[in-house]
Amino acid sequence: RKEVEQDPGPFNVPEGATVAFNCTYSNSASQSFFWYRQDCRKEPKLLMSVYSSGNEDGRFTAQLNRASQYISLLIRDSKLSDSATYLCVVNPDTGRRALTFGSGTRLQVQP
Amino acid sequence: ETGVTQTPRHLVMGMTNKKSLKCEQHLGHNAMYWYKQSAKKPLELMFVYNFKEQTENNSVPSRFSPECPNSSHLFLHLHTLQPEDSALYLCASSQVGVNTQYFGPGTRLTVL
Repeated sequence: RKEVEQDPGPFNVPEGATVAFNCTYSNSASQSFFWYRQDCRKEPKLLMSVYSSGNEDGRFTAQLNRASQYISLLIRDSKLSDSATYLCVVNPDTGRRALTFGSGTRLQVQP
Repeated sequence: ETGVTQTPRHLVMGMTNKKSLKCEQHLGHNAMYWYKQSAKKPLELMFVYNFKEQTENNSVPSRFSPECPNSSHLFLHLHTLQPEDSALYLCASSQVGVNTQYFGPGTRLTVL
């Protein structure tokens, strides 16, 4: 089983739509969770951290479900500029600095 | 955005060449990382340096040799690479003890 699993997509949605991505992780001891965004042929950039109580940043909402070991990202009112690959990222062990990345979910927002 | 810079941005090399990738961070961080991103695969961690000391080597072949002369600079020395080593090589930095990492733009490497 992969450490971090994501549906690769692509998710094709019209502008203004609401879209949600899920991600599952295998290590129940994982402590830190993030969503990164990667545009085509560019580097990953931190979108938001994911907190146990859930958190929101504008149109983006992240949720963590420790019991089921999954993380979600909800994007409301999709914009064309949201088109990118969204990477689910987990720090599996508090003793390490390394992050484990999912393969990413590609989102294409269409006019 | 110039927080983490990488040079060169593109590199084509033969299997017998020796080349080096350079990474520099201007964020005052003290941890630096090399990642490899191949097509349709997740980022793979290669090396971690904390305060210039290597703390992780993720079973990387010896044809990749990292060097970290100080907390701001990181190199990846390449020799006798294979075509399957063609990928995007990403450098990242963070504060030790903080999980948020900031990435450079990457070097797109092609091995012929």
